Amino acid sequence: IAGITQAPTSQILAAGRRMTLRCTQDMRHNAMYWYRQDLGLGLRLIHYSNTAGTTGKGEVPDGYSVSRANTDDFPLTLASAVPSQTSVYFCASSDSGTSGSNEQFFGPGTRLTVL
Amino acid sequence: GQNIDQPTEMTATEGAIVQINCTYQTSGFNGLFWYQQHAGEAPTFLSYNVLDGLEEKGRFSSFLSRSKGYSYLLLKELQMKDSASYLCAVRDGDYKLSFGAGTTVTVRA
Repeated sequence: IAGITQAPTSQILAAGRRMTLRCTQDMRHNAMYWYRQDLGLGLRLIHYSNTAGTTGKGEVPDGYSVSRANTDDFPLTLASAVPSQTSVYFCASSDSGTSGSNEQFFGPGTRLTVL
Repeated sequence: GQNIDQPTEMTATEGAIVQINCTYQTSGFNGLFWYQQHAGEAPTFLSYNVLDGLEEKGRFSSFLSRSKGYSYLLLKELQMKDSASYLCAVRDGDYKLSFGAGTTVTVRA
């Protein structure tokens, strides 16, 4: 693995089904993030984790949950998918800390369609 | 929260210069980022400004004025491969990023 990976690449899902999007990074970054990207709205933060064992809510957390059992993995779960969750989902990671740019590195994205 | 504004679209000719403006209102500020995103791909980091002034990286430069809540990304000697969306993002006091909707730049031959 080099960098940050996501799975699946794309998925079509029936409304009401449960779905977990996977994200793994091998850069030993402390912080990880989930965004959704919708046309005209840009990237919006769903949930984040500053370090393993902790998570926090972003701008649009409703209908989503996350866990951070270890440094490398940060899965995003849709408990009961709805059509409004149709979007492209990006996972990202970064070093944490108060100095330096600590820019976020993004995974390739998961294109999710809920019918 | 953050309010970040940037133009929706810009078109320029190969070899020209384009300036993408970004204005923001923030409840805390810990840096401004520019990302490039080609269609169907992930965003990639271009630049970071935390102090006022100009940061230059090859053909790309980014400027920040914290007092005015203003930044711009300058793309020089445009190439066809520069056709992409450019995302302005502000890091707040909690070290979370808020993104603008992005500016789609089209480079014409």
